[in-house]
Amino acid sequence: DIQMTQSPSSLSASVGDRVTITCRASQSISSYLNWYQQKPGKAPKLLIYGASSLHSGVPSRFSGSGSGTDFTLTIGSLQPEDFATYYCQHSYTPPFSFGPGTKVDIK
Amino acid sequence: EVQLLESGGGLVQPGRSLRLSCAGSGYTLSTYAMSWVRQAPGKGLEWVSGISGSGGNTYYADSVKGRFTISRDNSKNTLFLQMNNLRVEDTAVYYCAKIMGAVGGTFDYWGQGTLVTVSS
Repeated sequence: DIQMTQSPSSLSASVGDRVTITCRASQSISSYLNWYQQKPGKAPKLLIYGASSLHSGVPSRFSGSGSGTDFTLTIGSLQPEDFATYYCQHSYTPPFSFGPGTKVDIK
Repeated sequence: EVQLLESGGGLVQPGRSLRLSCAGSGYTLSTYAMSWVRQAPGKGLEWVSGISGSGGNTYYADSVKGRFTISRDNSKNTLFLQMNNLRVEDTAVYYCAKIMGAVGGTFDYWGQGTLVTVSS
C-alpha cells in the first residue's frame, strides 16, 4: 500500500502570507495526487486534483505542483477563510490513502 | 447542484451491525464511482471502501475487509455501506463521496457525514 506523509503537521501564518505544504508518497504515483481543505465540523472540500488542476470554484490563490513522489500545495496570499486543515491524498490505485493533515492557524 | 445526504449512523454495541445510506441528487449516480471515507474523532481521514459506477467492482481498506460491504442502487440514486461485527475502533464520522469519473479516487463532492459510535 502507498503511504502518504505531509509536512509540516501544523503552521502558524498571517493573512497575506504565502504558505507552502509538502506531501510525499512512499512510491511514485505520477500525478495522481489531490488536495483537500477541511474546516472544523465540516466535510472536506476538493481543492486540487491531478497534482495541479484547480477544482471548480476554488480561488486561484491555491496552486499545486509536483509529480512522482513529491508534491506541494501553495496558498499565494493567505485569506481569513483559509485557516483550516489540509490533506493530500493519492488516487493512483486502491487503497486511496490520505496524508495525516496540516493544520494552518492564525499567528 | 450535486448533493449527498448520509443517514443511518448511531450508537451501536461492539459486534453488532449497522447500515449506512447515502442519497444523491443533482446528478446521475450510475455515471460515477463512489466511496466511503471516515474520520475518527480528532483524527485524520481514512478511505474505507469504493465501488464502480456499475457496481461491478468494489474495493476495501484492510481494516474493514470481510466486515463491511459497499453496494449501490442506481435506480434510487443511493449508496450503501453494510457494517457488520463493528469494533470500537470503527467509531467515526462516515462520509460518502462522489468520485470524479466512472473510476478512480478523486473525491469531488462529499456528504455532510453521519456519526457512528461503537460502544458498550
